[in-house]
Amino acid sequence: GAGVSQSPSNKVTEKGKDVELRCDPISGHTALYWYRQRLGQGLEFLIYFQGNSAPDKSGLPSDRFSAERTGESVSTLTIQRTQQEDSAVYLCASSSGPMGEQFFGPGTRLTVL
Amino acid sequence: KNEVEQSPQNLTAQEGEFITINCSYSVGISALHWLQQHPGGGIVSLFMLSSGKKKHGRLIATINIQEKHSSLHITASHPRDSAVYICAVRRGTGNQFYFGTGTSLTVIP
Repeated sequence: GAGVSQSPSNKVTEKGKDVELRCDPISGHTALYWYRQRLGQGLEFLIYFQGNSAPDKSGLPSDRFSAERTGESVSTLTIQRTQQEDSAVYLCASSSGPMGEQFFGPGTRLTVL
Repeated sequence: KNEVEQSPQNLTAQEGEFITINCSYSVGISALHWLQQHPGGGIVSLFMLSSGKKKHGRLIATINIQEKHSSLHITASHPRDSAVYICAVRRGTGNQFYFGTGTSLTVIP
């Protein structure tokens, strides 16, 4: 596609449920990032994928968060046993390499009731 | 203490004014990014800098590595420049990104 896409655009879930968020990066982009933006707060780095290298998971806030990426394509961010504090916009970005310009997706707004 | 500090937090300007947004950081970095976030939430990358100065249209970004400081300038500001401007740095070691809390700019016609 022409840009980074994310799905769903909105997700409302009940506390304790698992959710899966999807990111389709720009074709050919080897680097992929996940970020979180809580209401009224700044962006937080979550995880970074670069090609077939082991991902940098240093930003994941707890072991309830995990992410996968198949090769240089789609990535999924999974949050298990969601909590109300997980409510945020989850943003994905991709770039042509580790030092490339990042292109951001529109985000998934997650609301945990 | 935040690794990235931006100032001002909020800025209101008259159309046509010259605008400066500042960013200071406390960690060693490999690159600094300026991002623009519009009211609808979409984020666009404006610049990526590791040294010196870059210009794109009415936007200019500078970085001083020794002083750990960057500025984003907007010349001849326009209402469509109204957005939140975010400074982000990539650590010199590893892939961790740190973000400033953003500067909310409103340009009045």
